[in-house]
Amino acid sequence: DQQVKQNSPSLSVQEGRISILNCDYTNSMFDYFLWYKKYPAEGPTFLISISSIKDKNEDGRFTVFLNKSAKHLSLHIVPSQPGDSAVYFCAARVFGNEKLTFGTGTRLTIIP
Amino acid sequence: EAGVTQSPTHLIKTRGQQATLRCSPISGHTSVYWYQQALGLGLQFLLWYDEGEERNRGNFPPRFSGRQFPNYSSELNVNALELEDSALYLCASSFLRNTGELFFGEGSRLTVL
Repeated sequence: DQQVKQNSPSLSVQEGRISILNCDYTNSMFDYFLWYKKYPAEGPTFLISISSIKDKNEDGRFTVFLNKSAKHLSLHIVPSQPGDSAVYFCAARVFGNEKLTFGTGTRLTIIP
Repeated sequence: EAGVTQSPTHLIKTRGQQATLRCSPISGHTSVYWYQQALGLGLQFLLWYDEGEERNRGNFPPRFSGRQFPNYSSELNVNALELEDSALYLCASSFLRNTGELFFGEGSRLTVL
């Protein structure tokens, strides 16, 4: 049962444009959401997070939006840069349970 | 500050053998998590250890086991290896009750022939 879904396995975006990565979840008990970025041969690194009490969190070029009624979150990267090319994982957590449930990832390619 | 370190980087085994993977968390972190990333799949939660105890376990058979040592380092053991155990095994650490951010190592790639 895939509780966190990233339906787009890959995405290509022109450098300088906006990249939008999407994530859907089914478990309404999730209260905290995170995005991780993974380069080849490296472990995932934390990018940005959002609590369920918010609907937006911004950090520089990265903004995460949460729509609880739709059980959907998205990561916006603007402007996109070549170094953003990586696999992006969406993750979610239930309060009191330290386990993170990850999506299957979206491979983002930024075209120079 | 040293990050999460994992060893070995690569491991090749044959079916039926046992594999042992090791992880050293970031200094000060008491929780260690193990995840499996099989080809084409996301990160599947395996095990969570904190203060030497197993706190949670993912949907994996009992032949996946592990432990956490007094210095908070951890071992993941996979017995009776099967071909489908071939995957990248990622270890992560955190300070319990933080915001949920995990710090990952680079992983150990296990190949079962």
